[in-house]
Amino acid sequence: GAVVSQHPSWVICKSGTSVKIECRSLDFQATTMFWYRQFPKQSLMLMATSNEGSKATYEQGVEKDKFLINHASLTLSTLTVTSAHPEDSSFYICSARRTGAARYNQPQHFGDGTRLSIL
Amino acid sequence: AQTVTQSQPEMSVQEAETVTLSCTYDTSESDYYLFWYKQPPSRQMILVIRQEAYKQQNATENRFSVNFQKAAKSFSLKISDSQLGDAAMYFCAYRNNNDMRFGAGTRLTVKP
Repeated sequence: GAVVSQHPSWVICKSGTSVKIECRSLDFQATTMFWYRQFPKQSLMLMATSNEGSKATYEQGVEKDKFLINHASLTLSTLTVTSAHPEDSSFYICSARRTGAARYNQPQHFGDGTRLSIL
Repeated sequence: AQTVTQSQPEMSVQEAETVTLSCTYDTSESDYYLFWYKQPPSRQMILVIRQEAYKQQNATENRFSVNFQKAAKSFSLKISDSQLGDAAMYFCAYRNNNDMRFGAGTRLTVKP
C-alpha cells in the first residue's frame, strides 16, 4: 500500500527558531501534497497545497512567509515554520496524492503527523 | 468554496449496537469523492470508507456503510455491531479535483 512518511513525529524547540517538517511518499510519486494543521480537539484545516516544481498555493489567512513550503521532487515536500512562536504549536499533517489521471479520484494518503511544541 | 458540516460534536453507542454519524456538504460540482476518516488518540488518519459521487450505490466496508443522498448533499456513516476499538474522532471529508476538506468531526464513545 501507499506509504507517506512524515518526519519528525514530535519536536520541541525554543521560540524564535525555525523548524522543518518533511513529508515523503515512499513508494509512489506525488505531484501534489497537502499540508494540514490541527489544533487540539479540532478538525484538520488545509494550510496549503504543494505542487512539485512550482509555488505552493496557500489558503486564506495562512502566512506564506511564516510557513515556507518546498516541493522539489516528486517524493518530498517540506514545511518550514520560520521564527516559530508558542501560537504555532500544533499538530501538522501532510497528505500526498499519487500522480495520475482523473485527479479527484486518486487516493490521498496521510502521514502520521508532527506534533510541534514551541516553548 | 466547498463546506463540510458535521452537526454532532459527540455521539455515544453501546457496544454491539448501531450508530449513525451525520455529514452534509455544500458544492456546485458534479464530480467529487466523499470520505469518512477515523482518528484515534494516536492521531493517525485512517480511511474508513469512501464514496464516488457518480455512484448511486452506497459504499459498504464490513461493519461500516454509508447513506449517500446526492440531491440532499448528505453522507452519513453507519457503524453496525459497534466495538470498543471504534471509539475515536470521525471526520467526514469532501474531495474534488483540487483538494480535500474536512468537517469539524464527531467524537464517538463506545460504552461496554
